[in-house]
Amino acid sequence: LAKTTQPISMDSYEGQEVNITCSHNNIATNDYITWYQQFPSQGPRFIIQGYKTKVTNEVASLFIPADRKSSTLSLPRVSLSDTAVYYCLVGDREAGSYQLTFGKGTKLSVIP
Amino acid sequence: EAQVTQNPRYLITVTGKKLTVTCSQNMNHEYMSWYRQDPGLGLRQIYYSMNVEVTDKGDVPEGYKVSRKEKRNFPLILESPSPNQTSLYFCASSLAGEREQYFGPGTRLTVT
Repeated sequence: LAKTTQPISMDSYEGQEVNITCSHNNIATNDYITWYQQFPSQGPRFIIQGYKTKVTNEVASLFIPADRKSSTLSLPRVSLSDTAVYYCLVGDREAGSYQLTFGKGTKLSVIP
Repeated sequence: EAQVTQNPRYLITVTGKKLTVTCSQNMNHEYMSWYRQDPGLGLRQIYYSMNVEVTDKGDVPEGYKVSRKEKRNFPLILESPSPNQTSLYFCASSLAGEREQYFGPGTRLTVT
């Protein structure tokens, strides 16, 4: 399973765009990149996933360069309610969720 | 409402007293999983189940048992709890082949 590396923590002011980068140098051809969000004392929540280039939904955008060795989760105009831990995971798409391994994530603190 | 439920939400027990944490999902998901979350260690998978009567060990299975006799239920059993099993436990489920897991609200267990 590909290992991921993320910053331990980030701070941002309200209204700013936040970019969290995840490194996955050993990503395999069949691996997809998935991001989860976790609020304190709650279970993680799926945000977005992608394989290459760019994916956007109502919550975030995911940018994946051509070599796929990293990915960037972009949160537009963050608010206080975006304060959470964000996890980057990679795993074989065919394996579904059973090969998803959560690391320590990135703790995002949004400051008023 | 589609959801994963866990019971109890909070439990304080003593060393060696067998306990069961129940997990139930109403989404007809094939895949279910148990995680524990500890400060500084992130989420770690205990056991997972690909379908009824099919279970396998995750990263930290020692001291735990599971069973999957029905599709909707996946109980976590601690035969002889010890203080190092004090943790926040999450149950999750997903469709087979999908990377979006749905997490329960968590069970905070304290073993004294």
